[in-house]
Amino acid sequence: NAGVMQNPRHLVRRRGQEARLRCSPMKGHSHVYWYRQLPEEGLKFMVYLQKENIIDESGMPKERFSAEFPKEGPSILRIQQVVRGDSAAYFCASSPFEGGEQFFGPGTRLTVL
Amino acid sequence: RKEVEQDPGPFNVPEGATVAFNCTYSNSASQSFFWYRQDCRKEPKLLMSVYSSGNEDGRFTAQLNRASQYISLLIRDSKLSDSATYLCVVNMRPGPGSQGNLIFGKGTKLSVKP
Repeated sequence: NAGVMQNPRHLVRRRGQEARLRCSPMKGHSHVYWYRQLPEEGLKFMVYLQKENIIDESGMPKERFSAEFPKEGPSILRIQQVVRGDSAAYFCASSPFEGGEQFFGPGTRLTVL
Repeated sequence: RKEVEQDPGPFNVPEGATVAFNCTYSNSASQSFFWYRQDCRKEPKLLMSVYSSGNEDGRFTAQLNRASQYISLLIRDSKLSDSATYLCVVNMRPGPGSQGNLIFGKGTKLSVKP
């Protein structure tokens, strides 16, 4: 049973470009969480999604960031017009039900030049 | 005041030592508590949940003091493989062991030397 998968593992973008980060939850998991870890900082919650629904986006910056979890396919975290401050590790976690243990993916390391 | 505070360390200890990590949280309504482990440039992995009665898993013991809003992790007979960053994690959702949106401390780095 494959774990949570994220791709790409490393992503380099120039300022102003778009970044798309993908997360495939564990088989049977329909709850997805995105977290961001800035250098030398702790993980910060961004958004919680279930299939086709955003449940809680209280940790998401109001501009340039969006997330989706379509009926088919992976969850996508999209960052438009990236800036240097977006450089971080972005982790996705999934759980089988609300309140279940969260299993983390290996993360995507975004570097903005 | 930060939501979850930990001593950043690093803690440098010899093999076999006992080491204790402390953590405080600011929101008294917090419901569930965990210790995660994160190896360098890897994802966090759940080490253990923390219950009010305290709990033990092999060499690891976790304690919770709700009145003081304080959580601890004790590692006995430390191994080289215990070297990692230990993250104190809190969430607001009710129910022992349940997880909602997790609030992470910055972590305490542990280095176990031969």
